[in-house]
Amino acid sequence: DTGVSQDPRHKITKRGQNVTFRCDPISEHNRLYWYRQTLGQGPEFLTYFQNEAQLEKSRLLSDRFSAERPKGSFSTLEIQRTEQGDSAMYLCASRERTGNEQFFGPGTRLTVL
Amino acid sequence: AQSVTQLDSQVPVFEEAPVELRCNYSSSVSVYLFWYVQYPNQGLQLLLKYLSGSTLVKGINGFEAEFNKSQTSFHLRKPSVHISDTAEYFCAVSDTGRRALTFGSGTRLQVQP
Repeated sequence: DTGVSQDPRHKITKRGQNVTFRCDPISEHNRLYWYRQTLGQGPEFLTYFQNEAQLEKSRLLSDRFSAERPKGSFSTLEIQRTEQGDSAMYLCASRERTGNEQFFGPGTRLTVL
Repeated sequence: AQSVTQLDSQVPVFEEAPVELRCNYSSSVSVYLFWYVQYPNQGLQLLLKYLSGSTLVKGINGFEAEFNKSQTSFHLRKPSVHISDTAEYFCAVSDTGRRALTFGSGTRLQVQP
């Protein structure tokens, strides 16, 4: 399978704990995007990488959130001191440099108790 | 900045009937337009896209959409729906630069037998 993969698919955690999600983009896609989708809403942009450089962060990305993409391959999204409001589906997408289509992974569903 | 409005949160329709899902957008710059479909507990799949050229674009699964610049609309249509089309549909726009997507809140298409 050469699509975008995300791990884990589901994560249940207690408030105050730290969580980390991983995204593996389609190989040779140098653009990588993170989105958050809450129940009944469309996805909202969080952050964007071009290779290993994080070029943009949304105002939605509070100081408790950090994203990395070492070596321009996979990416991680960490949430520190989780809050119930962080419960959502976290989606990752990638696209090639000259492409116009973003390919989405299946998402990681986070539930904060 | 861009914004997207999907005027209908739910659209019930009988099998084999035609359907139109409405989408309006606003932007101060040139945009690309997309329709994505999301099945339960899955990521997003691209249905079709408008980049430039012909304003009528055809996508997968028999869907098509028409770009209307004067009305800033990009409505999605299908002449005859199937039960399997039941899903959430998202309209999205991106600028021509970083291309992060701005999504509407979605339209739930419920196809009834």
